[in-house]
Amino acid sequence: DADVTQTPRNRITKTGKRIMLECSQTKGHDRMYWYRQDPGLGLRLIYYSFDVKDINKGEISDGYSVSRQAQAKFSLSLESAIPNQTALYFCATSDFSGSYEQYFGPGTRLTVT
Amino acid sequence: RKEVEQDPGPFNVPEGATVAFNCTYSNSASQSFFWYRQDCRKEPKLLMSVYSSGNEDGRFTAQLNRASQYISLLIRDSKLSDSATYLCVVNMDSNYQLIWGAGTKLIIKP
Repeated sequence: DADVTQTPRNRITKTGKRIMLECSQTKGHDRMYWYRQDPGLGLRLIYYSFDVKDINKGEISDGYSVSRQAQAKFSLSLESAIPNQTALYFCATSDFSGSYEQYFGPGTRLTVT
Repeated sequence: RKEVEQDPGPFNVPEGATVAFNCTYSNSASQSFFWYRQDCRKEPKLLMSVYSSGNEDGRFTAQLNRASQYISLLIRDSKLSDSATYLCVVNMDSNYQLIWGAGTKLIIKP
């Protein structure tokens, strides 16, 4: 089984709808991240969390919110989806060992019409 | 200017050839450097870290040039399975933040 899972894998939604993307991990890592990837751009950090009680905004947090329900679960919400939030969304985890390696989920392809 | 810049490619290379690409970064305080690989429609995965002294892993060699603020990736004896997008990643502080390049697409042709 995959160490980092994301649901749903694909989603089409309409402008103005609220949508939640979920991420679960079995790696036992404390740190979790949400990124979006757009063609021609690098991964951009939306939010990150170093533990259940620690949530931080990333580079592009406007229009998004997150919830860290447990060490293993980190969800991303779009309160009112808009078309320019159409992108590929990745969840990632890392540990606190000093390594900066991040482990990614398979991604969620979101289309907002 | 982007913080991490890469030539988007694609680099079309015959199987067995050697290919190299560079990545430049803007912040001279950057501390750690990495190459990730991303297959089409898949998640990024760490290929190798880049150390000041340079490092090699099989057919892959990574180099860091702090004076000119770039890192490079050399792939020797390229295989069809090397076709992917290669992402340059830079860490600028002792905390969490990784800054990602947009990637260089490599296509190995038989």
